[in-house]
Amino acid sequence: SAVISQKPSRDICQRGTSLTIQCQVDSQVTMMFWYRQQPGQSLTLIATANQGSEATYESGFVIDKFPISRPNLTFSTLTVSNMSPEDSSIYLCSAGPPAEQFFGPGTRLTVL
Amino acid sequence: QKEVEQNSGPLSVPEGAIASLNCTYSDRGSQSFFWYRQYSGKSPELIMFIYSNGDKEDGRFTAQLNKASQYVSLLIRDSQPSDSATYLCAVRSSASKIIFGSGTRLSIRP
Repeated sequence: SAVISQKPSRDICQRGTSLTIQCQVDSQVTMMFWYRQQPGQSLTLIATANQGSEATYESGFVIDKFPISRPNLTFSTLTVSNMSPEDSSIYLCSAGPPAEQFFGPGTRLTVL
Repeated sequence: QKEVEQNSGPLSVPEGAIASLNCTYSDRGSQSFFWYRQYSGKSPELIMFIYSNGDKEDGRFTAQLNKASQYVSLLIRDSQPSDSATYLCAVRSSASKIIFGSGTRLSIRP
């Protein structure tokens, strides 16, 4: 299994600002994934982050709004830029060996 | 057509009975299949994964995969109140990304 930590666990931000979420995995992994979960909804994939290459974004998500870094095989960041209240959500990092996929505890973001 | 489909429920099952959760997927090239349990306010917890046709058992949980029918299921035997949660089906597509269904809310009634 993989143990995944995220920082911060929660934050309240003002409209128009940016927040960077950090994700740390306790082992080296090839792929890391960022998801968003809005209240009462399932998980929506934002992007896939591979070390050494540009992140791959899903339809409806763009790099200018959600820039991602992947500097090594155990760490990634997701930035939520120019935030609006619609960005209020739980953001989850996921990673693991090819046959399994684990989740971090999530970052609960509230935008006022 | 959604990539991964689940009945949203709620599914109500008496304690001690078998809970059956179902999932269909659209990408025939999908490689592996996951079931997660999510309690309110918590992140998803992996409970089963399967990638070969047939059944895979782990304790009270059995995952069933039928690639020809593009169908995955999860059986929970001897259901307990602590099994009450949302169960998420997830599929690793041919593009290696993991896509989630909308989840099924399961309620175990005493």
